[in-house]
Amino acid sequence: SQKIEQNSEALNIQEGKTATLTCNYTNYSPAYLQWYRQDPGRGPVFLLLIRENEKEKRKERLKVTFDTTLKQSLFHITASQPADSATYLCARSMDSSYKLIFGSGTRLLVRP
Amino acid sequence: DTGVSQDPRHKITKRGQNVTFRCDPISEHNRLYWYRQTLGQGPEFLTYFQNEAQLEKSRLLSDRFSAERPKGSFSTLEIQRTEQGDSAMYLCASIPWSGTSTDTQYFGPGTRLTVL
Repeated sequence: SQKIEQNSEALNIQEGKTATLTCNYTNYSPAYLQWYRQDPGRGPVFLLLIRENEKEKRKERLKVTFDTTLKQSLFHITASQPADSATYLCARSMDSSYKLIFGSGTRLLVRP
Repeated sequence: DTGVSQDPRHKITKRGQNVTFRCDPISEHNRLYWYRQTLGQGPEFLTYFQNEAQLEKSRLLSDRFSAERPKGSFSTLEIQRTEQGDSAMYLCASIPWSGTSTDTQYFGPGTRLTVL
């Protein structure tokens, strides 16, 4: 089956450090991957999309990379802040329906 | 606030009861999606509409579940004879699909269902 895999262990880092989250995919080559942020009790909020022909994409303190050889996307938050604490979801879009297939998410905790 | 609203935000019901949730997408968005999310997991696709037509249903959507979007605007998701396994967050999302790939889905805040 076509899977999106994220590290289910929470990532706990010190404020100011760079957080790096991993998204791996198997058995297919997505045209693009999306990253969402989800706070407790809320719906996901779109952050970034990266296409397979893009190596890297940036938005303010966020950076996403896409390595089609490793079948992996990395999501970085530089100069992390406690307000960045949330669950981050990786997703791919499926066929002409554009329904999203999500990973299980990685919870990030930034300590002050 | 993404502009997608869901009602109610929380619902507690007893096993065997029927529940109905409502989603109001962003007004110009013609595609609407329903997802279900359990604790510690990512959202899972249930079904989607283009305008008023329901185009796909997941295997997760048993015959106790029914969704409608009668006028191509708001949508309802009904669960009949609820079971404890139905306890989850039900999320709605919408996109302004125009026949080409789109970049993002706009999610509502979700309806948290607890079945006792």
